[in-house]
Amino acid sequence: EAQVTQNPRYLITVTGKKLTVTCSQNMNHEYMSWYRQDPGLGLRQIYYSMNVEVTDKGDVPEGYKVSRKEKRNFPLILESPSPNQTSLYFCASSLEKGGGYGYTFGSGTRLTVV
Amino acid sequence: GQQVMQIPQYQHVQEGEDFTTYCNSSTTLSNIQWYKQRPGGHPVFLIQLVKSGEVKKQKRLTFQFGEAKKNSSLHITATQTTDVGTYFCAGATGKLIFGQGTTLQVKP
Repeated sequence: EAQVTQNPRYLITVTGKKLTVTCSQNMNHEYMSWYRQDPGLGLRQIYYSMNVEVTDKGDVPEGYKVSRKEKRNFPLILESPSPNQTSLYFCASSLEKGGGYGYTFGSGTRLTVV
Repeated sequence: GQQVMQIPQYQHVQEGEDFTTYCNSSTTLSNIQWYKQRPGGHPVFLIQLVKSGEVKKQKRLTFQFGEAKKNSSLHITATQTTDVGTYFCAGATGKLIFGQGTTLQVKP
């Protein structure tokens, strides 16, 4: 089944403790992206990747890092999480940046930073 | 910067009533996509519109792309409780920009 797999689904952590949210897709998509979703703000892009070793900032990149060492994986790293990073995070992949044929989203990671 | 505005933010309807959400872009779009997110779920791709003035239907859902390729709408005829969720438009201008979404609640 074609899918984007995110882990974990839920995470509660403390301020300053480094964490990684994993994302993997099995569709051989070149383009991958991370979004955060907050009430009233919709989906805001954090980082995206056009291909292996090619990443770029989205609209809200502060406090986040990403890497794309393999085509299928695109982890999101929070080096020193803060409470304002409490949010619902989605990983997405598609054939191209413009979303041709649509984005496939993972099931989401609900992060709480206390 | 480039923006995609979506209205209304919330809509509460009685089951059987119609529903429409509107999407407007500050720039001309190469395509527009629509997604549905059920409560507690993730966005799921519904459809993509590419041509000026294009109209597509999926059962009770009708999607339109404006002549100037700057606006779009999603109309649901005779809503059902299964239509509950948040509907997002996303405009493509080299990258995909999501609207804020319209949350639909349907009262049985």
